[in-house]
Amino acid sequence: GAVVSQHPSWVICKSGTSVKIECRSLDFQATTMFWYRQFPKQSLMLMATSNEGSKATYEQGVEKDKFLINHASLTLSTLTVTSAHPEDSSFYICSARDRWTSGSPLLQYFGAGTRLSVL
Amino acid sequence: QQQVKQSPQSLIVQKGGISIINCAYENTAFDYFPWYQQFPGKGPALLIAIRPDVSEKKEGRFTISFNKSAKQFSLHIMDSQPGDSATYFCAAGDYAGGTSYGKLTFGQGTILTVHP
Repeated sequence: GAVVSQHPSWVICKSGTSVKIECRSLDFQATTMFWYRQFPKQSLMLMATSNEGSKATYEQGVEKDKFLINHASLTLSTLTVTSAHPEDSSFYICSARDRWTSGSPLLQYFGAGTRLSVL
Repeated sequence: QQQVKQSPQSLIVQKGGISIINCAYENTAFDYFPWYQQFPGKGPALLIAIRPDVSEKKEGRFTISFNKSAKQFSLHIMDSQPGDSATYFCAAGDYAGGTSYGKLTFGQGTILTVHP
């Protein structure tokens, strides 16, 4: 099956620093990638959607200047949390979709997630 | 109208029993209904998915039942095992008119505990 690799799995940083999270599709071309945020025992909240080579589309209420998303290639998307603060501590999950060759154009494969702790 | 309502919030089942999780949606444009399983500290993994052209889909111990007129769908886990203990999310999506931005709307999640 399709594999989405997400790194790092856990990161601790000081308040005010920036953190970059990588999401790679290992065996397929990800025409679309999604970034989610999940609080403990809660559902997945979509932060943004990005198509390769295009600017990301952010969901309402998500600060695009704080959460920078780059989808420069068909296999890599990055999420950079800029000037992180303790309230940004959360579980961030990426997913990827191959519109053209997967069984369903809506089929999403998820990464293992990144736990961000901001001190 | 974009919400997907999932119930129950938590479920405790004995080993060998049947686990049933229900979801309801409002948006009639939804035409793809996947279920995801998530273990603590991990990303969701696709379990099974259904399109509205069938009323039931079975894969191993997992079955989706779909009622288009009631706008409801459910996940049945037969012969539940302790290893099935996880959080389950239903979701719904539409093909968004052929654009690339077909997003999934997730339910609130159900924490399933299967006792040995």
